Amino acid sequence: EPEVTQTPSHQVTQMGQEVILRCVPISNHLYFYWYRQILGQKVEFLVSFYNNEISEKSEIFDDQFSVERPDGSNFTLKIRSTKLEDSAMYFCASSGGTLSYNEQFFGPGTRLTVL
Amino acid sequence: KNEVEQSPQNLTAQEGEFITINCSYSVGISALHWLQQHPGGGIVSLFMLSSGKKKHGRLIATINIQEKHSSLHITASHPRDSAVYICAVTQGNKLVFGAGTILRVKS
Repeated sequence: EPEVTQTPSHQVTQMGQEVILRCVPISNHLYFYWYRQILGQKVEFLVSFYNNEISEKSEIFDDQFSVERPDGSNFTLKIRSTKLEDSAMYFCASSGGTLSYNEQFFGPGTRLTVL
Repeated sequence: KNEVEQSPQNLTAQEGEFITINCSYSVGISALHWLQQHPGGGIVSLFMLSSGKKKHGRLIATINIQEKHSSLHITASHPRDSAVYICAVTQGNKLVFGAGTILRVKS
C-alpha cells in the first residue's frame, strides 16, 4: 500500500542552525502539507502546497520557514535558523484528487529537537 | 475559543464497552476527519465525512452539519483501540485540529 515517508525520524540540532526535513508523498498525489505538534499540544497547520506553489500558510510559517518540491518525488521543509520553540514533531501529509479537502495521508513524522 | 472542540479529553473504558467521542466545530467546513494517533506519534486517517454516517469495522462516524457536530463510536472496544482520537475539519487548504481524546481501554 502506498505511504508517505519522512526522513530523518529524529533530528537534533543546535539553536541557530538550519534544518531540512524531507518527505516523499504518495506518488500520484497533488496536495502536500506540513503540520507540527509540540509535545503535549494539538497538531497545527504550517503550510499547504499545490501546483508547485504555496496555497495557504499559517502565522507560524514565517520567513524562517520555506518549502520546496525539488524534484518529482521529494517535498522538503527548511527552517533557516532554528529556535528552541521549533522543537516539535513535524508531519508531512499528502492528498490526491483535485479537491483540497480529500482525505490526507500522514507520514510517520520527524521529531526535531533544538538544543 | 477553539474552532474544534472535543469531549471528553480523557476516557477510560473496560474492554467490550461502547465508546462515544464527540466533536463540535464553530466554523464553515468542507469536510470533517477522524484521525487516530498512537503513542509512537504516527497519525492515521480513520474517516472523512461531509454528511451522514460511515462505518468501518467496529468504528462508526456520524456528522450533523446543521448542528456542527460529529461523533465517533467504537463498538466492542478492545485494548488495542487505546490511542488518541483526533477530530479535524477542512478549512480551505488546511486541516484545523481538535485537542484530541485520550482513550484507554482496559482488559
